[in-house]
Amino acid sequence: NAGVTQTPKFQVLKTGQSMTLQCAQDMNHNSMYWYRQDPGMGLRLIYYSASEGTTDKGEVPNGYNVSRLNKREFSLRLESAAPSQTSVYFCASSPGPPSYEQYFGPGTRLTVT
Amino acid sequence: AQSVAQPEDQVNVAEGNPLTVKCTYSVSGNPYLFWYVQYPNRGLQFLLKYITGDNLVKGSYGFEAEFNKSQTSFHLKKPSALVSDSALYFCAVRDGSDYKLSFGAGTTVTVRA
Repeated sequence: NAGVTQTPKFQVLKTGQSMTLQCAQDMNHNSMYWYRQDPGMGLRLIYYSASEGTTDKGEVPNGYNVSRLNKREFSLRLESAAPSQTSVYFCASSPGPPSYEQYFGPGTRLTVT
Repeated sequence: AQSVAQPEDQVNVAEGNPLTVKCTYSVSGNPYLFWYVQYPNRGLQFLLKYITGDNLVKGSYGFEAEFNKSQTSFHLKKPSALVSDSALYFCAVRDGSDYKLSFGAGTTVTVRA
């Protein structure tokens, strides 16, 4: 039982390049989330998927797109990377009621130059 | 709207002394409250939650938290801190009707030997 896995662990992009961050969970959770973590700002929600087939914007969605490929997988795409998107990205999943806690992946450290 | 405040950026304690990390919240509905811990270069790990029931919640690694509705607080406590408790701690809240979690900015705990 691997929990939540993310690939890649590290990535360096040049401004304007695109990439997709992959996330998968093997806990049969309904909900999945993408966050970014920046120093002193906690975690900010980018997008989430309450259940398979649905996605919704979070607090900071600009410059990102997501795909809930199936119940297990939720990918985050940067179409044209900008230096402001330099951050650590975390994927999380949650089973939903009655247990609402989220379980996090190990993160992807992205640098945009 | 929901929000969380962690008023202390840093907490320093000596090993063996009590540890308290403060958190206050704001929600329009019923609060679901969580504490997470993050060790360097790792994802967030769930510590404990309050959904309903007893105001004193016990969690992993000897941590507990007290829900105080009148003061809208959910402080994390440990009676006797260990050096290995040194980490970044996040408080999070969700409105009962919402899928999203809102995180505080985090509190860095340093336990000195």
